[in-house]
Amino acid sequence: GESVGLHLPTLSVQEGDNSIINCAYSNSASDYFIWYKQESGKGPQFIIDIRSNMDKRQGQRVTVLLNKTVKHLSLQIAATQPGDSAVYFCAEIIPVGGGADGLTFGKGTHLIIQP
Amino acid sequence: DTGVSQDPRHKITKRGQNVTFRCDPISEHNRLYWYRQTLGQGPEFLTYFQNEAQLEKSRLLSDRFSAERPKGSFSTLEIQRTEQGDSAMYLCASSTHLLTLHFGNGTRLTVT
Repeated sequence: GESVGLHLPTLSVQEGDNSIINCAYSNSASDYFIWYKQESGKGPQFIIDIRSNMDKRQGQRVTVLLNKTVKHLSLQIAATQPGDSAVYFCAEIIPVGGGADGLTFGKGTHLIIQP
Repeated sequence: DTGVSQDPRHKITKRGQNVTFRCDPISEHNRLYWYRQTLGQGPEFLTYFQNEAQLEKSRLLSDRFSAERPKGSFSTLEIQRTEQGDSAMYLCASSTHLLTLHFGNGTRLTVT
């Protein structure tokens, strides 16, 4: 089975509120994590990444938290805007021989921003 | 726009027909990847090129699938004898490193 997954398939938040998207992983060998945003009809777009030796990383309006103890990753989006509506995927890189198939995506959470 | 370009955007075909998709990567990227994505799922790795060499193939890539990157620039993905289960979005990505994939907007295949 997949080693990366998300707790909720759909998350609905009010515009202006903060949103938190969660992701669980099971492979303790994963050493790098990436969040992607995918808008309807488009390919995934890189948002933010974090290495396993970190527990927090901040970007513009986004923060990723990594809890290696419980193998949990979250993406926090501050002051959500209509343009944040998309499907969000977490992905992990497992350093198995450094191969391209070491990048594994989870199932995705659909974030809906209510006006 | 100098991003990853995929053609066509949509393809409808009848079961048993062959289809070919094209990907034009970002020009300075030597790495090119093909992924398949079904509704509600994350992309699944299919195959990877470094320059013109196909270095990795997923076990998802059956013998009906073939990919080429003849001059180390654009790539094609061909599916022979299409089946309904092949219906999906086929995504191409390019990069200089696995950590920095740039995805195209995909080709959506519908097999009827």
